[in-house]
Amino acid sequence: GAGVSQTPSNKVTEKGKYVELRCDPISGHTALYWYRQSLGQGPEFLIYFQGTGAADDSGLPNDRFFAVRPEGSVSTLKIQRTERGDSAVYLCASSLTWPGGYNEQFFGPGTRLTVL
Amino acid sequence: ELKVEQNPLFLSMQEGKNYTIYCNYSTTSDRLYWYRQDPGKSLESLFVLLSNGAVKQEGRLMASLDTKARLSTLHITAAVHDLSATYFCAVPTSGTYKYIFGTGTRLKVLA
Repeated sequence: GAGVSQTPSNKVTEKGKYVELRCDPISGHTALYWYRQSLGQGPEFLIYFQGTGAADDSGLPNDRFFAVRPEGSVSTLKIQRTERGDSAVYLCASSLTWPGGYNEQFFGPGTRLTVL
Repeated sequence: ELKVEQNPLFLSMQEGKNYTIYCNYSTTSDRLYWYRQDPGKSLESLFVLLSNGAVKQEGRLMASLDTKARLSTLHITAAVHDLSATYFCAVPTSGTYKYIFGTGTRLKVLA
């Protein structure tokens, strides 16, 4: 079946601009995660959705970052007033969730964001 | 605050050799995940370890979890070039679905 998809694959923007990154999870996966990965580093947790609600947004670095998942499927990560330090690969992952379950995350290919 | 450390950070090894990658974490967790990432690619799930003493094997890779020691190992047997990649472990913060990843171990297997 189809895996997690992310669009665009690459995004180049100028400092101060607004960007939206989209994630389509695996059908039926209730949990959705956003991560940010800088070069040579492990993924850094940003936010976790269970259904439509953001269950944990403690990883969002500041109020320029916001994410939504209005219908419990597709999610959009929104970054306002982009800064050069926002340049990274933004990864989305989805999983099934149930107590004691595997909760194995399946990752999308990522969006490489470059802020000039 | 949960911290996840891996060592070594870089590993260059000859084909046919055995080696172990270590993942230590700082607070209680009952599960741990291993992922592989090829250059320029996304993460691929390798193993899900759900309990103390869990051991999983797939091909030349074997992962184990010791929750009391807060340690997981990823053992490579008779390495081949195709295993060259970066390997990450990830641990959920207790009681949450917030996953903390290690810094990764970049493995290069030399022919």
